[in-house]
Amino acid sequence: QKEVEQDPGPLSVPEGAIVSLNCTYSNSAFQYFMWYRQYSRKGPELLMYTYSSGNKEDGRFTAQVDKSSKYISLFIRDSQPSDSATYLCAMGKGAGTASKLTFGTGTRLQVTL
Amino acid sequence: DGGITQSPKYLFRKEGQNVTLSCEQNLNHDAMYWYRQDPGQGLRLIYYSQIVNDFQKGDIAEGYSVSREKKESFPLTVTSAQKNPTAFYLCASSQGAGNQPQHFGDGTRLSIL
Repeated sequence: QKEVEQDPGPLSVPEGAIVSLNCTYSNSAFQYFMWYRQYSRKGPELLMYTYSSGNKEDGRFTAQVDKSSKYISLFIRDSQPSDSATYLCAMGKGAGTASKLTFGTGTRLQVTL
Repeated sequence: DGGITQSPKYLFRKEGQNVTLSCEQNLNHDAMYWYRQDPGQGLRLIYYSQIVNDFQKGDIAEGYSVSREKKESFPLTVTSAQKNPTAFYLCASSQGAGNQPQHFGDGTRLSIL
């Protein structure tokens, strides 16, 4: 079983919809959680960074962490065609070492007109 | 403009040949990383370096080598021992120790001739 599980999609939604992207994990040592957006033939771009449980909002994006359920989510409101990309979740453990992260395999999102 | 520059964008390798991928950052980050991305497998860590003149193997280091002679540079050599080198290679950096988010370059796509 992988440490981080992410549905590969593709997920297709109409423009303006609310998108929910999710990852589950098995290692309770993860404390730091990130979401990256990756366009085709480009590097991942950091969208959200959160520590421990709770919510964080940035514009149309909300990141949610539920450590008790080992479940994280990214919500995208008023989705746009420019949101079409692959979304990767990433997780890290305690401080004191290099920032080694464990990545999900990514969910491909398609926002249609 | 601060960022990570990877070159070349596309690279072709002949059988038995070593090739070197360049990664330069001007973010003044201490830590740097190399990942390999294959379809459906997410990002896998090849090597990472926390400080100059020091680096550690990641999960899939066999057939690869690195050096870290300068803080801003972390080149990756794909040796002839790597039998399946065709992949998208991503370089990243982060600030110091601890679980700081990583920032990525735009990758190099390596193919076999």
